Amino acid sequence: NAGVTQTPKFQVLKTGQSMTLQCAQDMNHEYMSWYRQDPGMGLRLIHYSVGAGITDQGEVPNGYNVSRSTTEDFPLRLLSAAPSQTSVYFCASSTTGALGSQPQHFGDGTRLSIL
Amino acid sequence: KNEVEQSPQNLTAQEGEFITINCSYSVGISALHWLQQHPGGGIVSLFMLSSGKKKHGRLIATINIQEKHSSLHITASHPRDSAVYICAVSSFSSGSARQLTFGSGTQLTVLP
Repeated sequence: NAGVTQTPKFQVLKTGQSMTLQCAQDMNHEYMSWYRQDPGMGLRLIHYSVGAGITDQGEVPNGYNVSRSTTEDFPLRLLSAAPSQTSVYFCASSTTGALGSQPQHFGDGTRLSIL
Repeated sequence: KNEVEQSPQNLTAQEGEFITINCSYSVGISALHWLQQHPGGGIVSLFMLSSGKKKHGRLIATINIQEKHSSLHITASHPRDSAVYICAVSSFSSGSARQLTFGSGTQLTVLP
């Protein structure tokens, strides 16, 4: 049972480039979310999904897009990378229930640097 | 905006010591989570609680809903407990879905 799998683990981009961070879970969880973690700050919610075909914005959605075509996958797209998006990104999933009311399962993170 | 405050920010202890990490929050919540982030970066859920106390091995988490406060205790600490401990609360956002708000974490270092 792999849990939540994030790829890549590390990535360096140039300003203006686009890329997709992949997240997949094999636990049949309905709820999936993307967070960014910056030094001295708590994790902040970028986007989340309560099920296939349904997504919504979190606290810091600007510059990011998501889609949820299947229960398993929840990719995060950076449209035009900016240095302010340098961060560590975490994907998380949880079972049925309002977001945050069930134990969260996290991926290992993607460390992204924008030059 | 619901704020989550953790204290201390940094904590160094000797092996075997009893450790307490505190978490305070400002609004009503439905659940509080304690998470552990190891030096390699991965985040693991330790506890989710909405009242009372939970225990798992040497870890104990308590919550006082009236005082809006939770503590994470580690008994007989060990160097392998060295990690960042993160508190997060689940509360209603402006929409209908509850979202998690995270504290900035407590860096724990246990020396042998």
